[in-house]
Amino acid sequence: KQEVTQIPAALSVPEGENLVLNCSFTDSAIYNLQWFRQDPGKGLTSLLLIQSSQREQTSGRLNASLDKSSGRSTLYIAASQPGDSATYLCAVMYYTGNQFYFGTGTSLTVIP
Amino acid sequence: DTEVTQTPKHLVMGMTNKKSLKCEQHMGHRAMYWYKQKAKKPPELMFVYSYEKLSINESVPSRFSPECPNSSLLNLHLHALQPEDSALYLCASSQEASGGTGELFFGEGSRLTVL
Repeated sequence: KQEVTQIPAALSVPEGENLVLNCSFTDSAIYNLQWFRQDPGKGLTSLLLIQSSQREQTSGRLNASLDKSSGRSTLYIAASQPGDSATYLCAVMYYTGNQFYFGTGTSLTVIP
Repeated sequence: DTEVTQTPKHLVMGMTNKKSLKCEQHMGHRAMYWYKQKAKKPPELMFVYSYEKLSINESVPSRFSPECPNSSLLNLHLHALQPEDSALYLCASSQEASGGTGELFFGEGSRLTVL
């Protein structure tokens, strides 16, 4: 079974700090990797999608990188704001089919 | 339109009831998914439909019965559920990996409580 892990499980930072969330996967033959945000009791909102041929993607204050050889992706959040408080999940899709493997999630709290 | 719409948002049912969850997307996606999510856990895959055919069933109990009437709609029929089935049920859709980016889009979920 494919394993996707996220470290740390929880993170608390003061407003304005830059931070990095990590996602590790065991099999490097990925099709794409997607970062999501989830607010309590809500669905998942797609933040960034990185195709296997790409090294990074940027959207506003968010930057996601992908290193297939080491089995890692990072989500960088610049100048964090209280509104960034949420759970962040990564999901990996492999070439073998329409199945996404979710990481364990990082719960982020940004303190005003 | 990048929306996946789920109804109802909340559902309370007894263990003998029969109910259905509904999901709709109009992005032309040919893969649709049901996930179950418990508190503070990542989503767990239940079913995948590809081109309106069930392609993945993650050993889900038969009290959950999926249906894909057409390429835009996905239903989850519920019967004789147990209290431990209470969870957030998420629908998602994506382009096929062979023909597109494979980006996954989620609905807001249906919060199910089984009494």
